[in-house]
Amino acid sequence: EDKVVQSPLSLVVHEGDTVTLNCSYEVTNFRSLLWYKQEKKAPTFLFMLTSSGIEKKSGRLSSILDKKELFSILNITATQTGDSAIYLCAVEGVGANSKLTFGKGITLSVRP
Amino acid sequence: ETGVTQSPTHLIKTRGQQVTLRCSSQSGHNTVSWYQQALGQGPQFIFQYYREEENGRGNFPPRFSGLQFPNYSSELNVNALELDDSALYLCASSLASAPYEQYFGPGTRLTVT
Repeated sequence: EDKVVQSPLSLVVHEGDTVTLNCSYEVTNFRSLLWYKQEKKAPTFLFMLTSSGIEKKSGRLSSILDKKELFSILNITATQTGDSAIYLCAVEGVGANSKLTFGKGITLSVRP
Repeated sequence: ETGVTQSPTHLIKTRGQQVTLRCSSQSGHNTVSWYQQALGQGPQFIFQYYREEENGRGNFPPRFSGLQFPNYSSELNVNALELDDSALYLCASSLASAPYEQYFGPGTRLTVT
């Protein structure tokens, strides 16, 4: 059974700090790993990673995948209060009918 | 905003009752997936519909059923509600050609008392 473990489960930082969110996974026939941000209800798509070692970047957020060690990290630099949210990691396996297996999420709180 | 809409936004039901939740997918998306997100947990895959047929199912009992209509909108039906069914129910739409790009709706918060 596919499995995703995120750590830490919660994190409190101050504005301007840099944070690293971790995601490790076990999946049969890996296709992709995705990061989502969930503020109120609907998760919003951040990144999709399919290849090891290639950093994806969007503004202050970046993510990288290590397919050998089966993990990914999401970095957020110069955090802002608007970054406060739950960050979800999900994996998709080939032949899984695009079913996503999610971790429990990491609750990030950014204090002013 | 993703263009995926769900109704109702919030619902309170009693144990043993039945409920129907609705989802309208983003324009042009022909695949709909449903997820259950309990408090403090990540979303769990219930099932997926493509071209009006179930196209994969997670570890949920048969009392969770669904439909997809010709316009790609979808329903999730839950019979014989249990207290543990209380959760946020999310639907996500995607293109069959890009199944990993799932766009989520705002969810329906179901409370079973």
